[in-house]
Amino acid sequence: DADVTQTPRNRITKTGKRIMLECSQTKGHDRMYWYRQDPGLGLRLIYYSFDVKDINKGEISDGYSVSRQAQAKFSLSLESAIPNQTALYFCATSQRRDSEQYFGPGTRLTVT
Amino acid sequence: GNSVTQMEGPVTLSEEAFLTINCTYTATGYPSLFWYVQYPGEGLQLLLKATKADDKGSNKGFEATYRKETTSFHLEKGSVQVSDSAVYFCALSDAGGTSYGKLTFGQGTILTVHP
Repeated sequence: DADVTQTPRNRITKTGKRIMLECSQTKGHDRMYWYRQDPGLGLRLIYYSFDVKDINKGEISDGYSVSRQAQAKFSLSLESAIPNQTALYFCATSQRRDSEQYFGPGTRLTVT
Repeated sequence: GNSVTQMEGPVTLSEEAFLTINCTYTATGYPSLFWYVQYPGEGLQLLLKATKADDKGSNKGFEATYRKETTSFHLEKGSVQVSDSAVYFCALSDAGGTSYGKLTFGQGTILTVHP
């Protein structure tokens, strides 16, 4: 089984709808991250969490919110989706501040 | 702030050709450096890493050396295969600075290898 899972893998939604992307991990890591990937822009950090009670904004948090329900679960919400939020979204985990990150398979989100 | 600049792609090579993908960085602290690879339809996976100056990371025939004097971490492979076709990302984690271990990514380089 995969260590970092994301659901759904693909989602098409309409402008103005609320949508939640979910991430679960079995690696036992405290640190979890949400990124979005756009062509030619690499990955940009949306939110990150260093433990259940610690949530921080990344470089592009506007229009997004997160919830860390447990050590293993970190959800990303779009309260009112807009077309420029169409992107590939990745969840990642890490063990320490200087260690590698482990990525989920991604969620492809299309907002029409 | 921290930043990573990769050579622009796409890069197209024939099988068994030599590969170099350039990566330079700017960081306020003493970063760890990474190369991640993304195969079609998949998430990112770590290819190699280096945590201090002059370290060489290597994996699957790929190598990169942490050069502090030139702030570079170029990726090389002596003989590429079709199966190496993917998107490659250079990244840094600045544990000693103010970014608390967050990764900063380059824009990615698409590599296509033809038989």
